Amino acid sequence: AQKITQTQPGMFVQEKEAVTLDCTYDTSDQSYGLFWYKQPSSGEMIFLIYQGSYDEQNATEGRYSLNFQKARKSANLVISASQLGDSAMYFCAMRTNNAGNMLTFGGGTRLMVKP
Amino acid sequence: DGGITQSPKYLFRKEGQNVTLSCEQNLNHDAMYWYRQDPGQGLRLIYYSQIVNDFQKGDIAEGYSVSREKKESFPLTVTSAQKNPTAFYLCASSIQKGPNQPQHFGDGTRLSIL
Repeated sequence: AQKITQTQPGMFVQEKEAVTLDCTYDTSDQSYGLFWYKQPSSGEMIFLIYQGSYDEQNATEGRYSLNFQKARKSANLVISASQLGDSAMYFCAMRTNNAGNMLTFGGGTRLMVKP
Repeated sequence: DGGITQSPKYLFRKEGQNVTLSCEQNLNHDAMYWYRQDPGQGLRLIYYSQIVNDFQKGDIAEGYSVSREKKESFPLTVTSAQKNPTAFYLCASSIQKGPNQPQHFGDGTRLSIL
């Protein structure tokens, strides 16, 4: 079975500083993908970044980067130079071939950016 | 623009009533999904469909039903058997093959009990 754990229910960060949101996962599949989504208070889910299990480089997408440590089964999201608009819920999710490409979501982390 | 449209944005259900949530996509995606989100929680899979005229139950399918008569459309019916339907419902779609394909989401429907 697949499982995603996000241990930080809520986090504060000062505007313009960097922040790391933790995500650990558990799967016996060798081929999988890890995703991060942002959910503002309006509710929509916005895809941020993807990391494949065979990717050797950490994924980056603008101010978002993924600190992928395969041996530790962790895929932490790093947001650099935080902005007020980054305040939202952030969800880590995993998709595996053997699970029919279903997404398994973590419980989320609420990030609050302080001015 | 391509995307996923969910309607209505807000929906109210009376006791004993069935209600249907609409989800339409013009991304030409094969797979479509329905999720339920309770306050402060993550997403839980209700139903998914990988191809027209076929769908499978997710983790919390009881009290819900779906159909997939067209590639673009995947409506969700919340039946009277669902005793606690108040939640935020999200529809998503994706290219079917490969674990590297993200799911794209609609803006959601908030369902409440009257």
